[in-house]
Amino acid sequence: DAEITQSPRHKITETGRQVTLACHQTWNHNNMFWYRQDLGHGLRLIHYSYGVQDTNKGEVSDGYSVSRSNTEDLPLTLESAASSQTSVYFCASSESVAGVVTGELFFGEGSRLTVL
Amino acid sequence: AQSVAQPEDQVNVAEGNPLTVKCTYSVSGNPYLFWYVQYPNRGLQFLLKYITGDNLVKGSYGFEAEFNKSQTSFHLKKPSALVSDSALYFCAVRDMAVGNTPLVFGKGTRLSVIA
Repeated sequence: DAEITQSPRHKITETGRQVTLACHQTWNHNNMFWYRQDLGHGLRLIHYSYGVQDTNKGEVSDGYSVSRSNTEDLPLTLESAASSQTSVYFCASSESVAGVVTGELFFGEGSRLTVL
Repeated sequence: AQSVAQPEDQVNVAEGNPLTVKCTYSVSGNPYLFWYVQYPNRGLQFLLKYITGDNLVKGSYGFEAEFNKSQTSFHLKKPSALVSDSALYFCAVRDMAVGNTPLVFGKGTRLSVIA
């Protein structure tokens, strides 16, 4: 069965370190997204991609970067981790129909990041 | 800009009673509307969506939602709640007037169904 997997599921790091969260999907979806979930804020969009070599900034992109070198993967990098980036991170993917993003997202199980 | 509001942080309902989780939205064009559910320590799961057509949309696990254009609402409903429905529910919207924009999510409503 097709799926979307995130790794690691849990990570503790120190302020200033670089961290990369992996996201891999086997749906063959063109569209991939990274959200963070925080109490009181719901889900907020960090970055998204509509295809290979395409990346776009979301609502809370400062301090994060992504790259899309193939259809399956959209890794999220925190260049210099900060305590404010302690959160649960969700990767999601969706298909497009006739060039229109359908909007129905398939989510990974999440990566819980703690920055000390 | 598109936005969605879930006015209740928490909804409590007795098992067997009907439940409603409220959602209102703001878009400049026509909306695509979605409901997702999140169980503890899990990712979000799709429940149902409205794109066009019948204002009453039926989805997974017996849930339904009613699109009301005049009130800009898309409330989630279920005729008889189960304890297993206890979870975090998210409403989301896309504004079809602004091209391929990603979904914008509400802050979520925690549903507790009491036996």
